Amino acid sequence: QVQLQESGPRVVKPSETLSLICAVSGGSVSSAHWWSWIRQPPGRGLEWIGEIYYSGSFNYTPSLNTRVSISIDKSKNQFSLRLTSVTAADTAMYFCARSLGPTPIPHAYDVWGQGTMVSVSS
Amino acid sequence: EVALTQSPAILSVSPGERVILSCRASQSLSYHLAWYQQKSGQAPRLLIYGASMRATGIPARFSGSGSGTEFTLSISSLQSEDFAVYYCQQYNKLPPWTFGQGTRVEIK
Repeated sequence: QVQLQESGPRVVKPSETLSLICAVSGGSVSSAHWWSWIRQPPGRGLEWIGEIYYSGSFNYTPSLNTRVSISIDKSKNQFSLRLTSVTAADTAMYFCARSLGPTPIPHAYDVWGQGTMVSVSS
Repeated sequence: EVALTQSPAILSVSPGERVILSCRASQSLSYHLAWYQQKSGQAPRLLIYGASMRATGIPARFSGSGSGTEFTLSISSLQSEDFAVYYCQQYNKLPPWTFGQGTRVEIK
């Protein structure tokens, strides 16, 4: 059974870069799924950040497009999120997730990591 | 960007009651809509995809219906473990994929 585990710093200073890793176990990041990042500010709803396909194709939400990048590391069976120039508005629980598949067609998310809380604070 | 509007925001119900949650889209989604359940401190759990397909391991009391711009999630007889926040999400044609703002189902 595929499992996802987020890791990374819990506190990031304003204007710096947030970097998170999602480790994939029980399956391969090279399989035909979309691998995604989704965040949730405290007490609020879910916000889709972006996704990457195993082939390297990616999509980002327009509001974060100039600050976000998602990459995939097949040798380590993981994918990563980088968000530059963070502000307090980026404080959130960050989830990684996998789309149903295998298929290149966009789909719902059937596997989620437990999430990691990241606070932006000096 | 497709906007999803969920109603009601909060639903107070008693165990055993039938619950119907609504999700309305700003443009047609065909059947490309999913429903998730999220309990406090946990990741969302996929309940329904393709508007009406139950995900693996989801009890039969959960059902989804609708197409186009109007969708519903029904829980036939609410159990104690069903009190949670429910989100709809669209994945039609082109990103960004979007979520509704959620419906909280609480104990009456």
